[in-house]
Amino acid sequence: GAGVSQSPSNKVTEKGKDVELRCDPISGHTALYWYRQRLGQGLEFLIYFQGNSAPDKSGLPSDRFSAERTGESVSTLTIQRTQQEDSAVYLCASSLDIGTGELFFGEGSRLTVL
Amino acid sequence: RKEVEQDPGPFNVPEGATVAFNCTYSNSASQSFFWYRQDCRKEPKLLMSVYSSGNEDGRFTAQLNRASQYISLLIRDSKLSDSATYLCVVNMRGSTLGRLYFGRGTQLTVWP
Repeated sequence: GAGVSQSPSNKVTEKGKDVELRCDPISGHTALYWYRQRLGQGLEFLIYFQGNSAPDKSGLPSDRFSAERTGESVSTLTIQRTQQEDSAVYLCASSLDIGTGELFFGEGSRLTVL
Repeated sequence: RKEVEQDPGPFNVPEGATVAFNCTYSNSASQSFFWYRQDCRKEPKLLMSVYSSGNEDGRFTAQLNRASQYISLLIRDSKLSDSATYLCVVNMRGSTLGRLYFGRGTQLTVWP
């Protein structure tokens, strides 16, 4: 389809392992966002990209979290040495440009750390 | 203090009722405002933008009060399909333009 695609949809991992979450935004969208949503909680901003640049990384919870975007397209969120508190749904969204406010979200990657 | 605060509810209303949600934001430099809707275990989707003059989209009316720093959403003639969590979203100017702040959401259940 033409929407935002995320993979994997579900990931169960053991504490201490690294995980990579992938996001394919809508073609032509220059802005890409990562949010985290813990069970029963609101959306927590992690990082956004304008093109391939990430002007604001201050939302990343710790240095175990990193993200990159290439070709103004695909983005990868990497969590190293996962902890149980990392368990959440990781939502990716894209928009035509920064500041439009109209974000198109993917269905999310549900991460469970045992 | 959180950037965006919402009453989490839940709001339980019968079909046909009118219901209103409020949201307050802390930063007076906030520039843009939106309401999103999130169905259970689904991703959020834009419901409507909120303009300074207020705006209406069918049964939904959004209003902004900059002086008091709050946003409201009014739903008239509630339908069963309106049951969802409604998220208030605020955008800032300048260097944080790309960071949209989401409230925790207000849960609405419409019963027959």
